[in-house]
Amino acid sequence: AQSVTQPDIHITVSEGASLELRCNYSYGATPYLFWYVQSPGQGLQLLLKYFSGDTLVQGIKGFEAEFKRSQSSFNLRKPSVHWSDAAEYFCAVAPYGGSQGNLIFGKGTKLSVKP
Amino acid sequence: DVKVTQSSRYLVKRTGEKVFLECVQDMDHENMFWYRQDPGLGLRLIYFSYDVKMKEKGDIPEGYSVSREKKERFSLILESASTNQTSMYLCASSSSSGSDYAGKAFFGQGTRLTVV
Repeated sequence: AQSVTQPDIHITVSEGASLELRCNYSYGATPYLFWYVQSPGQGLQLLLKYFSGDTLVQGIKGFEAEFKRSQSSFNLRKPSVHWSDAAEYFCAVAPYGGSQGNLIFGKGTKLSVKP
Repeated sequence: DVKVTQSSRYLVKRTGEKVFLECVQDMDHENMFWYRQDPGLGLRLIYFSYDVKMKEKGDIPEGYSVSREKKERFSLILESASTNQTSMYLCASSSSSGSDYAGKAFFGQGTRLTVV
């Protein structure tokens, strides 16, 4: 069965430091991969997505992610974290080539930012 | 901008009550979803629908049903609410074609349901 693993439940970084959030997936074919962010009390917002092509994808708010097929990973990165990035981040995969639109989510990584 | 609207932000219901959670989207999306979000468990899919009057079970459908009579509206029904259904419920929609294809889901702000 398809699954998504986010190994880190909670990460704390200092403002201005770099960030990497890990995501590993289990899926037979090339998946459609996504990162979403959820600010406190809000719904989820799409940060970026990977369908095919260039394995380094750029998203909103200065985030990027790299698809590595050999490692079954899709890690999210940001060179310099801002206090407003404090939120919960979810990695997701769309099975069946996304034909039915449903997503399988990881359990999330909560990001705290120290001043 | 796509807007997904959930009818309530907070609800408090009694055990055994029938509960309706409503979700409306304004972008003519084919796909609509109901997720449940619990701390440490992430988002789990309850039901989804890829067309009017069509529904598919997700990972945790037990105790829930859904209704999609119109394309823009997707309702989640708790036939007899129980305390273990206390949770955050998130509705989402997505398109099956065009630039929003495949999984680019738009989420509502969520309904925090407490069953007492």
